[in-house]
Order: sequence, then C-alpha cells, then structure tokens
Amino acid sequence: DGGITQSPKYLFRKEGQNVTLSCEQNLNHDAMYWYRQDPGQGLRLIYYSQIVNDFQKGDIAEGYSVSREKKESFPLTVTSAQKNPTAFYLCASSIRWASGDITDTQYFGPGTRLTVL
Amino acid sequence: AQKVTQAQTEISVVEKEDVTLDCVYETRDTTYYLFWYKQPPSGELVFLIRRNSFDEQNEISGRYSWNFQKSTSSFNFTITASQVVDSAVYFCALLNQAGTALIFGKGTTLSVSS
Repeated sequence: DGGITQSPKYLFRKEGQNVTLSCEQNLNHDAMYWYRQDPGQGLRLIYYSQIVNDFQKGDIAEGYSVSREKKESFPLTVTSAQKNPTAFYLCASSIRWASGDITDTQYFGPGTRLTVL
Repeated sequence: AQKVTQAQTEISVVEKEDVTLDCVYETRDTTYYLFWYKQPPSGELVFLIRRNSFDEQNEISGRYSWNFQKSTSSFNFTITASQVVDSAVYFCALLNQAGTALIFGKGTTLSVSS
C-alpha cells in the first residue's frame, strides 16, 4: 500500500543526545515536510524539501537538521541544541510543492512521539 | 500576517447531534487555499477537504459539509448526525497564495459520546 511511514512511534532521549526520526514515503511525491506539534497547539513547520537534494528551513528550524538524499526519505535529526524537544513530530508529503493546485495538498504520516528524559 | 483561529477548544456532543466547528482566517492574499484535517487518537492527520478562495460553493460529503464565506473569512465544518468515531481533534489550515506556508489553527477537540 502507498503511504508515509514514520519510525519509531515512540522515542526516548537523554539530554545532550542527538536522535534521528525516520520518514519514508512510497507515493512518489516530490515535496516532504516536518512539523512539530505541542499539546493544545497547531502544527509548526520545522523544515521542508521541494525536491530531492534540496531543503529549506521552516518557522522553527533551530536545533534540527535534515537531509534529502533520496526522493522517498526525509530524516529529521533533533540535536542537543534543541532546548525543548519533547513533542509529537509529524512528517508529510505532497505531489508537488507550491503548485497552486491539488497536487500541493499535504498528506501526513502517523507521527513520532519524542520524550526527553 | 496570516492566521487561523479556531475559537472552540473543546466540544462535547451526544451521538446523532449535529455539530459545527468554526474556523476564521486572516490573510491579505487574493488567492489562498483552506483545508480541514482530522487527527484521531492515533495521531495521524487525515486530509478531509481543500478549498480554493475563488470557489465559494459549499460542499457536502456524506455526513460532512463545509460552509465557506469570504465576506466573514470563515470556513466552517459541520458534521451531521455525529458518531463516536467522529471523536478527534480537527484542524483548519490556510495555505498562502505562493503555496509556501501552511498555517494551522490550534484545533478543536470533538468528543462524541454514545
């Protein structure tokens, strides 16, 4: 089945550690996105990638890094520089980026819940 | 600046009641796009609808309907004859004209009891 997978579902991190969240899609979508969701809040954009080998910072990129070496994969690393990383992280993808039509509709994965111990 | 406001933080209804979730947006763009997503307890956001700013026709899909009014900058979502499976957090979102930023509201938690 086509879709977006994120792993792990739950992740625990000790302070000072870097951790990497996986996001894979087999939808052949060009664009991919990472969002952070805090309790009672909407989603905020961390990074996005319009196409393979390209990525741009979103609204809250500090303390995070990404790569886009393959079209289907967009991993997110939460570094020790991120002051408050405990949150729910959602990955999304769309057929195109900023197309102005239905192909830029974003579809989401199941999320990873990160807790800092 | 662009903004989406969902003033209702939580709504509780009994099965078979109709319920309307409000969404008010702010934008200076002449062309923009509005969305509703559903987030069940499992956490994944499920896409429900996309609307272009130049299409003010209301839309109905089964028990779901959407009322888009540019005059009041609102894009409200109604569930008719609610069911327990409708219990979720519902997010309204706005995509700017350039398509570069998807702005989410804070969500409305809907609880439907049997």
